[in-house]
Amino acid sequence: AQSVTQPDIHITVSEGASLELRCNYSYGATPYLFWYVQSPGQGLQLLLKYFSGDTLVQGIKGFEAEFKRSQSSFNLRKPSVHWSDAAEYFCAVGAGTALIFGKGTTLSVSS
Amino acid sequence: SQTIHQWPATLVQPVGSPLSLECTVEGTSNPNLYWYRQAAGRGLQLLFYSVGIGQISSEVPQNLSASRPQDRQFILSSKKLLLSDSGFYLCAWSTGSTDTQYFGPGTRLTVL
Repeated sequence: AQSVTQPDIHITVSEGASLELRCNYSYGATPYLFWYVQSPGQGLQLLLKYFSGDTLVQGIKGFEAEFKRSQSSFNLRKPSVHWSDAAEYFCAVGAGTALIFGKGTTLSVSS
Repeated sequence: SQTIHQWPATLVQPVGSPLSLECTVEGTSNPNLYWYRQAAGRGLQLLFYSVGIGQISSEVPQNLSASRPQDRQFILSSKKLLLSDSGFYLCAWSTGSTDTQYFGPGTRLTVL
């Protein structure tokens, strides 16, 4: 069965430090992969997506993600975190009709 | 450009009361439409999706139902709310089944 695992429930990073959020997926075919961000009480905003081609994907707000088929991973990175990046981040895999979401990682940014 | 609306933004309802949440999309035709529920610490759970008017697929059997009376309108309903129906309800649209989904602002439902 398709699934997405985000191993880290909560991460705290200092402002200006680098960030990596982990995502592992289970899917039999070539996956479509997504990262979304959600601010408190808001809907989800798409950060980036991978459908095919270059395995390093650039997104909005300075985020990037790398698809590694051998590790079934799609980790999200940012070289320098800003206080406004504090939010909840969801990884998702496209599985037929719908998206399968991970349970999310809450990012806190300390000054 | 495309826009997705949900209302109401927040709702507090007593147990046993009916429910109607509405989602509308502007700027696109024949979108796929989705209802998700988000409970704390549990990620997003797909409830219903629709590929066309009157076509509804249910992913999880429960106390809720969905309808699509118009191309760009998606409604989530219940005849009698349960406490367990509390949560954050998100509507989303896409142009195709494997395409990017775009989410609305959500409705916070509290059942007391």
